[in-house]
Order: sequence, then structure tokens, then C-alpha cells
Amino acid sequence: RKEVEQDPGPFNVPEGATVAFNCTYSNSASQSFFWYRQDCRKEPKLLMSVYSSGNEDGRFTAQLNRASQYISLLIRDSKLSDSATYLCVVILASGGSYIPTFGRGTSLIVHP
Amino acid sequence: NAGVTQTPKFRVLKTGQSMTLLCAQDMNHEYMYWYRQDPGMGLRLIHYSVGEGTTAKGEVPDGYNVSRLKKQNFLLGLESAAPSQTSVYFCASSYSRDRDSYEQYFGPGTRLTVT
Repeated sequence: RKEVEQDPGPFNVPEGATVAFNCTYSNSASQSFFWYRQDCRKEPKLLMSVYSSGNEDGRFTAQLNRASQYISLLIRDSKLSDSATYLCVVILASGGSYIPTFGRGTSLIVHP
Repeated sequence: NAGVTQTPKFRVLKTGQSMTLLCAQDMNHEYMYWYRQDPGMGLRLIHYSVGEGTTAKGEVPDGYNVSRLKKQNFLLGLESAAPSQTSVYFCASSYSRDRDSYEQYFGPGTRLTVT
């Protein structure tokens, strides 16, 4: 079982829709969590960190549920420009280092 | 401030050939990483480095070697390329060991084809 699991999608939604992605992780010792965005044939870029108390950045809300070992990303009022692949990243402390593990990504397509 | 740069951007190799991918960052980051990305597989960590002169294996290290002789550079070597190493390779760096400030900055990628 992969350590970080995501539904690959694609999620195909109209402009203005609300869409949510989940990401589950297997190691309960995981310490930090992030969402990255990757456009086609481009490098990933940090979208937002995920804090225990939940956090919001404009139309984006991230949540962490440690008991059930998942993180979520909610996008409200979807725009065409939100079309991309969303990667969740889990950081695990190992031997004094912080090792990132990426999920396989969830593809979002926003259509007019 | 160029961020993270990768050389080359594209390369075609024949099976058995060798090559080195260069990653450079000008942000004085401690951590550097090499990933490969294949369709449907996401990003997989090949090797990483927590500082100059140190390297460690990631999830898929076989067939690759790395070196971090200078803090700003992280080299990925393929000694004898195989078709299974056809992939997009991304380098990344991060500025902090603090788990709460762990943003990774990625280079633009190297598209490698092994025939």
C-alpha cells in the first residue's frame, strides 16, 4: 500500500462549483502536510500548508484529520485557471531528516 | 535570483550510455532532492541531501548516484542508462529543517528518454 493515497480523478466540474479532494496517509508519525499544484508539464508549486486547526487562503481551505489520517483540500467558486493536478505531500521525520512523500495527484478539470 | 535550475532540459540517450544531470540553487538551501515523475506514479524520491557532502537514498535509488560537493549543486548520475529510466526528473530544494516551514522549490525538470 502506498504511504500517501489520492483519488487520481479526473474531477470534471463547471466553473463556480465547489470541489473537494482527500488524501490519506498510512504513517501516524507523519508530522507535516502540504498541498502542491502542478500544471501540465510544469514543476510542482506549493499551494498551501495544512495545519491542525485548518487553514484558509481565499477560495482554498485545507483541513487535517489526524485521527482518521487524512487531509483535505476544498476549492470554492472554481475558476478555469484552477485546472491542474493537486498533489498532497506528507513529511515524515526519519533519522533526524524530514522526508517528503508525494501522493500521485488528483486531476481537476474546470470547464465553462 | 534564479531559484532552482536544471541542466539539461531535454536529453535522449541510448541504452548503456551515461550522463549527469545538474541541479543548482541560489537560495542557500540546506536540503536538496532528486525526484522522478512517471505517468500515473506521481513524484518518487530518488536521492536527497541534507547538506554539503551528505547524501541519502530515497524510495527508488537503484541505477542512480548523486553527489553534493558544493552546497548549491546536487548532481544526479546515470552510469548505464536503461529504458526504464525514461522519465521526467525534478530537482528541488528547501530552506529549513523546521517541519513547519518546509516549502520545496522545484526546478523546471529534465525530460530524459532512453532508447
